[in-house]
This record gives sequence, structure tokens and C-alpha cells, in this order.
Amino acid sequence: AQSVAQPEDQVNVAEGNPLTVKCTYSVSGNPYLFWYVQYPNRGLQFLLKYITGDNLVKGSYGFEAEFNKSQTSFHLKKPSALVSDSALYFCAVTLGGYSTLTFGKGTMLLVSP
Amino acid sequence: GAVVSQHPSWVICKSGTSVKIECRSLDFQATTMFWYRQFPKQSLMLMATSNEGSKATYEQGVEKDKFLINHASLTLSTLTVTSAHPEDSSFYICSASISSGQETQYFGPGTRLLVL
Repeated sequence: AQSVAQPEDQVNVAEGNPLTVKCTYSVSGNPYLFWYVQYPNRGLQFLLKYITGDNLVKGSYGFEAEFNKSQTSFHLKKPSALVSDSALYFCAVTLGGYSTLTFGKGTMLLVSP
Repeated sequence: GAVVSQHPSWVICKSGTSVKIECRSLDFQATTMFWYRQFPKQSLMLMATSNEGSKATYEQGVEKDKFLINHASLTLSTLTVTSAHPEDSSFYICSASISSGQETQYFGPGTRLLVL
């Protein structure tokens, strides 16, 4: 069975500092990997995805993520955090096709002024 | 593009009543729609997958008679929580996909259900 681990319940970072939100996955095949952001009482907003190609994926709002096959990781990064980045972030994985999209439990990012 | 709406965004109802939640793809035709449930500070749990004109496929542990899903057109799916009870209170999120696969899903804004 496929799974996603987000080891940190919460990440705290000061505005202007770089941020990293960790994600590791487990699938039996080539993964499709996603990051979503959720603001309070809102649905999920798509940030970026990795399907194939360049391991470094750039997405919305200055976020990027690097696919690392050997470490089965897909960490989300941003060079300079903004207070408005504070939200709940979900990593997700699927094998594509009819394979289920499996979400991690989410990581709350808090950016302090 | 690829906008998904949900209605209502908030609903409060009495125990024993039924509640219908609508999910619409506004600018594309959705081959497949998905319904998720999210408990506070937890991840999204897939409840069911629906394809237009056919019966929904429910995930293990989800009561199909409790959570009725209708996918009447390529732009509309509805989730009806029948005889709602307080334990059904949750945040329900739908998503829509242009293809049959799950890799490209566009999510709705969610519906907060509170059953008193």
C-alpha cells in the first residue's frame, strides 16, 4: 500500500528565512507527487507536482520541491518565507491512472513577523 | 480555469435530517468527481469516487446508504448525508478530474457540516 509521511506536525520559521516542509513517500512504482496548501475553512489549493523530468519542480507563490528517488522524499521549500504562507500543507502521492491519491497528515506552517 | 465550487459552504442542521451538498465544475467537464472528509487537524480521507451516469465507488468503511452520491452530469455531483447525526459533523471537500485518473484533481472550497 502506498503511504505518505509528513514527520512534522508544525514548522515555525521567521519571515524572510528559508523554509522546508518535509515529505517522504512509499509506493510500488513511479510516483506522481503533489503539494497542496489549505487555509482555514477552505479547500485545497494546488502548489506543484512532480510527474517526470527535472527533479526540481517550481510551483505557485515561489514554492519549489525536489524529488529525490533514492531518499523517497519530496520536500517543499521556499527561499524566503512570508507571514501569508502560514497555512496547512499537504503532500500527496499517486501512481497515476486509477491509483488512489494518498495524502499525508499535513504540516502546519507558522511564519512569524 | 479548472474551478470547482461547492454549495453550501456552511450548513447547520438538526440530528435526523438529511443534508445535500453540491459540487460543480464551473469551466470544465469532470469525468470523475471525488468526495473527501476531513476531521479537525487531520488529513483528507477519500469517501467515494463517482463517474457521471454510474454508481459511486465507496471506500472501505464508508456507508453507501448513509452518504448518497449522485453524479447526474459532467459538471455536477451531489453528496447527501442522510439522517445526519452529530458524529457526521465534519468538513466535506469534493474534487473533480478531467480524466478517469486521480492525479489531476481540482478541489472545491469545502463544506462545513455541523449536526446538532
